Amino acid sequence: EPEVTQTPSHQVTQMGQEVILRCVPISNHLYFYWYRQILGQKVEFLVSFYNNEISEKSEIFDDQFSVERPDGSNFTLKIRSTKLEDSAMYFCASSSGSLSYEQYFGPGTRLTVT
Amino acid sequence: AQSVTQPDIHITVSEGASLELRCNYSYGATPYLFWYVQSPGQGLQLLLKYFSGDTLVQGIKGFEAEFKRSQSSFNLRKPSVHWSDAAEYFCAVGSGGSYIPTFGRGTSLIVHP
Repeated sequence: EPEVTQTPSHQVTQMGQEVILRCVPISNHLYFYWYRQILGQKVEFLVSFYNNEISEKSEIFDDQFSVERPDGSNFTLKIRSTKLEDSAMYFCASSSGSLSYEQYFGPGTRLTVT
Repeated sequence: AQSVTQPDIHITVSEGASLELRCNYSYGATPYLFWYVQSPGQGLQLLLKYFSGDTLVQGIKGFEAEFKRSQSSFNLRKPSVHWSDAAEYFCAVGSGGSYIPTFGRGTSLIVHP
């Protein structure tokens, strides 16, 4: 069964450093998403991406964040200058259509900022 | 704005017992409702969803949920819990104007043998 994969599973970085979180969505999916979950809190939507551009983003997704689909398979989330409060689990998801509402999630990357 | 409340942070049940996880939502129109499960080290997996029609929805792994508009609820049920059901369960609500679900805080299910 096809699945969304994410690398690395755990990333430790120092405050102020740039990090790139990587995701490989399901191959025939067209819509891609990033979510984050701070420990003990809700899963929060960050951004959605379709047709090589951002289609929706939350207020969390400020100028420190960017997304890219550099090739036909990868979908990345970049945080330019990490802060302590960026420590969280980051989930990538993909879906085959905007109205299908069925998003398939990856296992997540745990980001720890020290 | 839409919101979801899962009032129980932890639920403990014995294997074989029935289960009900509560979810209440706040949204003005007919919502789209989801239940996801997250096992340790895994991503979120969709258990079931409600868009319209029959208010009793069947999902995977023997789960079902019932949409009750009068109570703004979408509780998840299973008649007999297995040890492998121990996981984190998330209720989520979406609206017709956006396909982005809003998640609840989750309920951690602990299953005793």
